[in-house]
Amino acid sequence: KAGVTQTPRYLIKTRGQQVTLSCSPISGHRSVSWYQQTPGQGLQFLFEYFSETQRNKGNFPGRFSGRQFSNSRSEMNVSTLELGDSALYLCASSPMAETQYFGPGTRLLVL
Amino acid sequence: KQEVTQIPAALSVPEGENLVLNCSFTDSAIYNLQWFRQDPGKGLTSLLLIQSSQREQTSGRLNASLDKSSGRSTLYIAASQPGDSATYLCAVSGDGGSQGNLIFGKGTKLSVKP
Repeated sequence: KAGVTQTPRYLIKTRGQQVTLSCSPISGHRSVSWYQQTPGQGLQFLFEYFSETQRNKGNFPGRFSGRQFSNSRSEMNVSTLELGDSALYLCASSPMAETQYFGPGTRLLVL
Repeated sequence: KQEVTQIPAALSVPEGENLVLNCSFTDSAIYNLQWFRQDPGKGLTSLLLIQSSQREQTSGRLNASLDKSSGRSTLYIAASQPGDSATYLCAVSGDGGSQGNLIFGKGTKLSVKP
């Protein structure tokens, strides 16, 4: 089976812009979670989607949003980018509430 | 609020040594605990998952234990190799419907010298 894929892999944006990141889970996996990784804060949970519904949400401002499509693919959007949003954004999928399989991440740099 | 701590933050050992990485968590109401490996600039690779009802899991040279009541887990790596050099992350998922929300420690950066 193909692993979790994330696009794009690298992205450079300027402050105030918005960005959309995409995640394709492993075939058959219905749960998709998003995480932000920074050197200072480590890995932090953003949100989880299951069957197109947001099941959990982390402690991030409303500028961070996401959605899941009927084929389980997921997107996350960050509006009004700030310098502090520079990070590695990781997506993970799982069949149910089991081992999470992570993608390679999207590295976002905000200038 | 669940907090996960990993000690030490960094570890350097000669090839062939057996080593133990530690993870502690503040709330024992967990659904499961996972150990991951992350290579520089890459995503996470799942190493072992321990359900809350289990005490340990083994895979090859890796053995992870879980003591839920004391809020501790250890990852034992036998006969370390240079290829084991990476950052090792411990993560717990909460009980009660939040299993997809992993709470991570800051990791232990392991360097195995030839």
